[in-house]
Amino acid sequence: ELKVEQNPLFLSMQEGKNYTIYCNYSTTSDRLYWYRQDPGKSLESLFVLLSNGAVKQEGRLMASLDTKARLSTLHITAAVHDLSATYFCAVDGRRGGSNYKLTFGKGTLLTVNP
Amino acid sequence: SQTIHQWPATLVQPVGSPLSLECTVEGTSNPNLYWYRQAAGRGLQLLFYSVGIGQISSEVPQNLSASRPQDRQFILSSKKLLLSDSGFYLCAWSVPGHRYAEAFFGQGTRLTVV
Repeated sequence: ELKVEQNPLFLSMQEGKNYTIYCNYSTTSDRLYWYRQDPGKSLESLFVLLSNGAVKQEGRLMASLDTKARLSTLHITAAVHDLSATYFCAVDGRRGGSNYKLTFGKGTLLTVNP
Repeated sequence: SQTIHQWPATLVQPVGSPLSLECTVEGTSNPNLYWYRQAAGRGLQLLFYSVGIGQISSEVPQNLSASRPQDRQFILSSKKLLLSDSGFYLCAWSVPGHRYAEAFFGQGTRLTVV
């Protein structure tokens, strides 16, 4: 059974600081995703990572993937209040084929304080 | 462009009453469709997925069921709701065989069983 673990689950940080959220998964996978969820809202796709060494950046967020270590990181640079949200990583549990199922981590609740 | 519609946005139902949540996708054909539940504002659990009309796979045994009467319509139902069915229900879709296989989520239905 595929397991996805995120840490930390809660992260309170000051504006302007840097921090990293970690996502470990238990079995080999083709794809890894990062989503953002604002309170009471749905999930918004941030990044899709497909291969070992993949790095993607959008604004103050940068995601990377190490398939050998089964680890993805979401790095936050110079945090601002608008980044406050819950961040989920999700892993595709199937290899190849046209179907897929996502297994989600429990999420990291990020609070950026002035 | 593709869009996903999910309704209602909020629902309060008594224990033992029936449930019907509907989701439709526009702008794409033969999508993969998913129902997720998020309890207590945290992790997501995959309930059902469908790769075509009338094809439903259940991930978690429960008193919920799903149906796909049309290509872009996905319905979540229950004959008798339990208190434990309360949660945030999210419909999602993806393109089969797409390299990214990214899941796009609807706005969600917040269900409270009283």
